Amino acid sequence: KAGVTQTPRYLIKTRGQQVTLSCSPISGHRSVSWYQQTPGQGLQFLFEYFSETQRNKGNFPGRFSGRQFSNSRSEMNVSTLELGDSALYLCATTPGYGGENTEAFFGQGTRLTVV
Amino acid sequence: AQSVTQLGSHVSVSEGALVLLRCNYSSSVPPYLFWYVQYPNQGLQLLLKYTSAATLVKGINGFEAEFKKSETSFHLTKPSAHMSDAAEYFCAVRNQAGTALIFGKGTTLSVSS
Repeated sequence: KAGVTQTPRYLIKTRGQQVTLSCSPISGHRSVSWYQQTPGQGLQFLFEYFSETQRNKGNFPGRFSGRQFSNSRSEMNVSTLELGDSALYLCATTPGYGGENTEAFFGQGTRLTVV
Repeated sequence: AQSVTQLGSHVSVSEGALVLLRCNYSSSVPPYLFWYVQYPNQGLQLLLKYTSAATLVKGINGFEAEFKKSETSFHLTKPSAHMSDAAEYFCAVRNQAGTALIFGKGTTLSVSS
């Protein structure tokens, strides 16, 4: 079956703009999490959505937001972009909510560059 | 709160040599631990996971890891490195609510011929 699909793969934006990234989960997966990966901070958890509701949120400013649709696809939005938002944004999906030993399946990521 | 520490940001080995990537965890509850691998410009792929069923966990591509509670460690090993093993490796633990992965800083593995 198809894996986790993230679009677009690459994106260049200007400071102050906003951006929307998309994540389509594996069929049947209802939980979508987002992570930011930078050389300095490594992989950091942004938020998780399940059944169209944000269930958990990491320590990021309110400029970072997301949503989930009824088909489990998720989008994340970053407003008023800053140079420091340049990163690889990864989404990960699991079949259900929680589940400590559940494997998370990752997409290939969206590389965002802010200039 | 859970956390993981990966010792050594960069490990270099020769082809055919033993691979040892170190991970120590901190957790107030029984941890659920994972090792992921990331190739350049790619997402993360699960190598193996510890779920308390067995302390020695075998994963894909010949990797294995041993959970040692007394040492709070979950080190990743492979008896014989291949060139194709060159990548970045991440140790991770699930948070207590089971809703997020907490990652170590990663270890870049280089393999020379």
